[in-house]
Amino acid sequence: EDQVTQSPEALRLQEGESSSLNCSYTVSGLRGLFWYRQDPGKGPEFLFTLYSAGEEKEKERLKATLTKKESFLHITAPKPEDSATYLCAVHPTGNQFYFGTGTSLTVIP
Amino acid sequence: DAGVTQSPTHLIKTRGQHVTLRCSPISGHKSVSWYQQVLGQGPQFIFQYYEKEERGRGNFPDRFSARQFPNYSSELNVNALLLGDSALYLCASSLDRGRSGQPQHFGDGTRLSIL
Repeated sequence: EDQVTQSPEALRLQEGESSSLNCSYTVSGLRGLFWYRQDPGKGPEFLFTLYSAGEEKEKERLKATLTKKESFLHITAPKPEDSATYLCAVHPTGNQFYFGTGTSLTVIP
Repeated sequence: DAGVTQSPTHLIKTRGQHVTLRCSPISGHKSVSWYQQVLGQGPQFIFQYYEKEERGRGNFPDRFSARQFPNYSSELNVNALLLGDSALYLCASSLDRGRSGQPQHFGDGTRLSIL
């Protein structure tokens, strides 16, 4: 069964304190792995797509990496405006995206 | 460019009523998917439509239905509303039906509250 697990559920960081969020998955074939940011009361905002193991993508303080079983979202020197819920989704064979439950990130000034 | 737009933004209904939610995809996107997001959870897939045909259905009861129009906009209909249907309903659009691994882009959703 296709499944996505994110950890930790919640993370509190001091401003400037780097860390990583994890997304582990079990799927029957992977067409893509996606990271989204979701602010309260808003829809998920697309960040990255990763397609194959070893691939990396960067955007400002965020860097996403992919292995055969998991993906990491590295946050370098976070700022308070990075506070949000970060969602991981996988697209296996078929038409359905599977989302994890997200990591709620709080960055304290 | 306009993103995915959904209407209404908020809706309050009572048990047993019917509701219709609307979605306009990003211009040029032919695929629309619907998700239900309960507080504290990730989005759960309900339907995907591509070129006006249903291409995928999640594990939701038959009270949930949808359709896509020639201009690629879409409606989600829910009949006989239950308290458990209270959630944020998200619409996402993408260029194709998903074979190339294109990302989905989301609207800000409709917050549905059932009393």
